[in-house]
Amino acid sequence: QRVTQPEKLLSVFKGAPVELKCNYSYSGSPELFWYVQYSRQRLQLLLRHISRESIKGFTADLNKGETSFHLKKPFAQEEDSAMYYCALSGRSTDKLIFGTGTRLQVFP
Amino acid sequence: DSGVTQTPKHLITATGQRVTLRCSPRSGDLSVYWYQQSLDQGLQFLIHYYNGEERAKGNILERFSAQQFPDLHSELNLSSLELGDSALYFCASSTQDRGGTEAFFGQGTRLTVV
Repeated sequence: QRVTQPEKLLSVFKGAPVELKCNYSYSGSPELFWYVQYSRQRLQLLLRHISRESIKGFTADLNKGETSFHLKKPFAQEEDSAMYYCALSGRSTDKLIFGTGTRLQVFP
Repeated sequence: DSGVTQTPKHLITATGQRVTLRCSPRSGDLSVYWYQQSLDQGLQFLIHYYNGEERAKGNILERFSAQQFPDLHSELNLSSLELGDSALYFCASSTQDRGGTEAFFGQGTRLTVV
């Protein structure tokens, strides 16, 4: 059971598309989440795959074939600058497993 | 406000000392998770309690221990502190013991060991 976020830092300019990568390994049917953390504050749930909703313009699709749950936004805003954590849970685990996080920097 | 309360917000202590971090989960949540966040290591899972029972242990040092009380609040005890223990300690709560549910995080306790 593992979550991999290959990029430590992603820098883009305002208005550019953003894709934060997340790959996972899990035996069974996972629940995937994206959490956001602004300036070392509390982590907040951004979205979860089961709800299939878009929050603050972000979307993420669970691709079971590629075991991925990439986070996307078509036009980045400066206020999107934060740490983003992909997380995995499921019926066969007692914990929420986090990736190492990707820092998104959006320049004006 | 997530409904999860952690105290204290900041703690500065000397090496070799012992501290206790406290977490009150959201009303109705039976699960409490503890995580350590240091600058270079991201979020590390420490331990999970459900309704007073330990359910899972992660990379928790033997110098660290935790418990969950009948009123469901939890305490994380850190002893023989070292400089490397300086970090943000988060607790999170959720309704279920098994996965699949959202976890709500507290604001964290920033521990500085000098």
